[in-house]
Amino acid sequence: TQLLEQSPQFLSIQEGENLTVYCNSSSVFSSLQWYRQEPGEGPVLLVTVVTGGEVKKLKRLTFQFGDARKDSSLHITAAQPGDTGLYLCAGDSWGKLQFGAGTQVVVTP
Amino acid sequence: GAVVSQHPSWVICKSGTSVKIECRSLDFQATTMFWYRQFPKQSLMLMATSNEGSKATYEQGVEKDKFLINHASLTLSTLTVTSAHPEDSSFYICSATRREGGVHEQYFGPGTRLTVT
Repeated sequence: TQLLEQSPQFLSIQEGENLTVYCNSSSVFSSLQWYRQEPGEGPVLLVTVVTGGEVKKLKRLTFQFGDARKDSSLHITAAQPGDTGLYLCAGDSWGKLQFGAGTQVVVTP
Repeated sequence: GAVVSQHPSWVICKSGTSVKIECRSLDFQATTMFWYRQFPKQSLMLMATSNEGSKATYEQGVEKDKFLINHASLTLSTLTVTSAHPEDSSFYICSATRREGGVHEQYFGPGTRLTVT
């Protein structure tokens, strides 16, 4: 059972455009982590959000954690080809991560 | 900080043989490590939780006698795929947990591509 729903599953945009990836759940998590994974490699941790309503910025990436700590979003401004990858959200449930299915993002020059 | 390594990065073996994969946290101690499996174009599937000095906890549907896990120290966990078969071919990824300010963050290794012929 997938506790975390990610949308969209796939996103293809042109360089310079903005995009948003959503991560929704009916469960409350103590924290939520976002990862980016490239083919043949392990996921790389981008950010951890802990507090309901929290907003974190990492250069062109903005992460939000919902007030109820059940959902999150990742917004990328002025996407670049280097942003291409599989974006995964993961909720921390008693020390274990519950992963979403992932959003494949492709940014073309 | 928070670097996790895996060895080997890829391995090809014959059906019926066993393969050992190592996972090391290089610059921090990890009381808990996790092993995942990932199929092409899919998300990560948790196989087991490995705690230093105790038996691993396996997820439902994962055969503990087939996937042997040993967590010998705070920086090393190993996964042995015993009597491997072609259906065991997959991308295996480990992660190590670091506690940062009361939050558990998982850092992943680069993965091991296993191909069983």
